[in-house]
Amino acid sequence: ETGVTQTPRHLVMGMTNKKSLKCEQHLGHNAMYWYKQSAKKPLELMFVYSLEERVENNSVPSRFSPECPNSSHLFLHLHTLQPEDSALYLCASSHEISGGAYNEQFFGPGTRLTVL
Amino acid sequence: QKEVEQDPGPLSVPEGAIVSLNCTYSNSAFQYFMWYRQYSRKGPELLMYTYSSGNKEDGRFTAQVDKSSKYISLFIRDSQPSDSATYLCAMRYSGNTPLVFGKGTRLSVIA
Repeated sequence: ETGVTQTPRHLVMGMTNKKSLKCEQHLGHNAMYWYKQSAKKPLELMFVYSLEERVENNSVPSRFSPECPNSSHLFLHLHTLQPEDSALYLCASSHEISGGAYNEQFFGPGTRLTVL
Repeated sequence: QKEVEQDPGPLSVPEGAIVSLNCTYSNSAFQYFMWYRQYSRKGPELLMYTYSSGNKEDGRFTAQVDKSSKYISLFIRDSQPSDSATYLCAMRYSGNTPLVFGKGTRLSVIA
């Protein structure tokens, strides 16, 4: 496997379910990100991790809970979601958060989440 | 006013056309400007990166930044059906600040 992988690719869940999204990067990067992409809205940054430490949490509801056990893996734990949480959830990684003027983020293919 | 404005389209052009995609922004503190391409069922991939005002060319793609007008553009020459995708502009204040994205413009190039 190369690049950034995400599983599952599609997920349908009820509002009372608990599920987790998984992201794995094979690029040797130190920073990982969760984004939410909704129809007709810009990508929204949710969480940023640097060397397994959370460095940014953009006022995300507590029903989303991230976990970064090591620099290669990132999880997003979901519980009691709402229908408006239906979206494409994208994981990304980069060498560092502060890489000088340029620090490219590599994105995974995303998990398409539908909340019924 | 939103930080970054981008017309979502959709934009449909014939093969071989020159495509112009644009974003405007409100905060003059943005310094770094990027264009991402996102194919259906895929994540965004970096296409072009620019820092200063002016043009940057890479093959059929040209990125243009006008900081005085707070306006960036991506031009695609000799467009191909394989260019059909959503194009997202993104910008950041400095190297360690989050990316701020536009909504993306959906482009279809018809053979």
